[in-house]
Amino acid sequence: DVKVTQSSRYLVKRTGEKVFLECVQDMDHENMFWYRQDPGLGLRLIYFSYDVKMKEKGDIPEGYSVSREKKERFSLILESASTNQTSMYLCASSLISGGEQYFGPGTRLTVT
Amino acid sequence: RKEVEQDPGPFNVPEGATVAFNCTYSNSASQSFFWYRQDCRKEPKLLMSVYSSGNEDGRFTAQLNRASQYISLLIRDSKLSDSATYLCVVFGSSNTGKLIFGQGTTLQVKP
Repeated sequence: DVKVTQSSRYLVKRTGEKVFLECVQDMDHENMFWYRQDPGLGLRLIYFSYDVKMKEKGDIPEGYSVSREKKERFSLILESASTNQTSMYLCASSLISGGEQYFGPGTRLTVT
Repeated sequence: RKEVEQDPGPFNVPEGATVAFNCTYSNSASQSFFWYRQDCRKEPKLLMSVYSSGNEDGRFTAQLNRASQYISLLIRDSKLSDSATYLCVVFGSSNTGKLIFGQGTTLQVKP
């Protein structure tokens, strides 16, 4: 079974803090993704990576950056957290481009 | 026009009912199609891939109509445990690996 884990289930941060969200997958998948999910807006892609040290902007990259130093690990960074970044953050991975994606349990981030 | 459109529902059905969801997509070159299930406050989980010939998994049947650019999900003999949001997912023609998620259709199965 594919396993995608995320570092925290719940996180509370203050405005202006730097926030790191970690994601690890154990199936040697090439592709990894970060989404946020908000009521009424569905899943929105922030960044994705198709190889180590490679990254591509998704639909809403502003205010975020990512790091992929190892194949199994994909980190999402909020350089200076803001209240409008309060959301559920979901990490996913897939073996091939366009293949089914497997999600981690999500991190519910609250920025106060 | 959204790339993937679903009726958000909610669909309220009694146990044992048959219910069908449709989803339309805008990119005629789309190559892969999936249905995901998402329970409240949980992550999306793959329910089934959708093949050109249609496919069935127990009580669930998925169909693809390329000419009309829609996919469907049929659930027979609904169970209380089928209550969830069902996400239609489409992969476009690019090589970037991006999947496009619909906003989901909510199903509530009542006793």
